[in-house]
Amino acid sequence: DAKTTQPPSMDCAEGRAANLPCNHSTISGNEYVYWYRQIHSQGPQYIIHGLKNNETNEMASLIITEDRKSSTLILPHATLRDTAVYYCIAVGNNAGNMLTFGGGTRLMVKP
Amino acid sequence: SQTIHQWPATLVQPVGSPLSLECTVEGTSNPNLYWYRQAAGRGLQLLFYSVGIGQISSEVPQNLSASRPQDRQFILSSKKLLLSDSGFYLCAWVVGVEQYFGPGTRLTVT
Repeated sequence: DAKTTQPPSMDCAEGRAANLPCNHSTISGNEYVYWYRQIHSQGPQYIIHGLKNNETNEMASLIITEDRKSSTLILPHATLRDTAVYYCIAVGNNAGNMLTFGGGTRLMVKP
Repeated sequence: SQTIHQWPATLVQPVGSPLSLECTVEGTSNPNLYWYRQAAGRGLQLLFYSVGIGQISSEVPQNLSASRPQDRQFILSSKKLLLSDSGFYLCAWVVGVEQYFGPGTRLTVT
């Protein structure tokens, strides 16, 4: 699976959009980009995933560049409860869809 | 609906004691199942995965083992725990291309 690179930490003001970047320059054509988040002392929570097209659900939007070498997770109106570590992962539909978690981005939403 | 259970939620065990953590899923058949561990202040580490009954793949050599006795049951075991086995253990499974995680077991080895 492709290695992903994320900034270790970010701050965001409550009510503003949080834009979390992720680089995955070695991503292959069959690998999806997944985003998870982990709130302290809880298991990771699935947020969204995409292959080529931008995706949106009730939690977030995922913007994938045309060359697929990077993506951005957007939380449109961040709340204090969105404070968590956000993981970007690239994984293909093989080997049982294993996830390899990196360090993630620690997002701190501040009032 | 799909549900994933783990127990116990917390566990305190002395060094050298055995371990058995159980994970069961509901609402699906023949899922791919995974065990992850998160040590304090660190990221998630994949330990084992299973694509079917009796099929186990190990990602990290260690004193832990896993078994898949039933389609929707995944067990993590150890014969003798080490202090370094302390951590947060998560079971996960795949639904299509999405992975979902159980509530986790927090293990403290003393």
